[in-house]
Amino acid sequence: EPEVTQTPSHQVTQMGQEVILRCVPISNHLYFYWYRQILGQKVEFLVSFYNNEISEKSEIFDDQFSVERPDGSNFTLKIRSTKLEDSAMYFCASQGLPETQYFGPGTRLLVL
Amino acid sequence: GENVEQHPSTLSVQEGDSAVIKCTYSDSASNYFPWYKQELGKRPQLIIDIRSNVGEKKDQRIAVTLNKTAKHFSLHITETQPEDSAVYFCAANSGGSNYKLTFGKGTLLTVNP
Repeated sequence: EPEVTQTPSHQVTQMGQEVILRCVPISNHLYFYWYRQILGQKVEFLVSFYNNEISEKSEIFDDQFSVERPDGSNFTLKIRSTKLEDSAMYFCASQGLPETQYFGPGTRLLVL
Repeated sequence: GENVEQHPSTLSVQEGDSAVIKCTYSDSASNYFPWYKQELGKRPQLIIDIRSNVGEKKDQRIAVTLNKTAKHFSLHITETQPEDSAVYFCAANSGGSNYKLTFGKGTLLTVNP
């Protein structure tokens, strides 16, 4: 059964540094998402992406965040200048039709 | 926007008992309600989902019920086993053509052998 994959599994970075989190969605899916989960808390929506553009973003997804799908395969989340409060598990999800979303294994980001 | 409330936050049952987790949602346009199971350090895994055109769905020991009028939905696990122990999240979409999910805060289910 195809799965969403994410790299890296863990990322440690210094505050102010840029990080890029990578995801490979399930190949025939059309909708892509990033969510984050701060330790011990619920999963929170960051951004949705469809037809090569952002379809919706949350208030968390400010100017420091960006997404792109550069090669029709990978789906990336970039944080330009990380803050301590960006430390969380970041999940990519992809969705075909109907609207079932499948989550990747996550990238645990730690900002020091 | 959508708001999803989930109760209880923790639930402890004896093996073989049933477990029920309840969620309410606020957006009447929501029409898709998945449940995810998340084991420690792992990804959320879809275990069952229900769409607003049905009131109940069952898959072996797991069932979900939906009351659209009251805007609440519930997860029922029967004959619980220790491997059912995990955090369970309910979620609701935003309706219309936007499929983003809003999650509840999760329920830590512990099944005691």
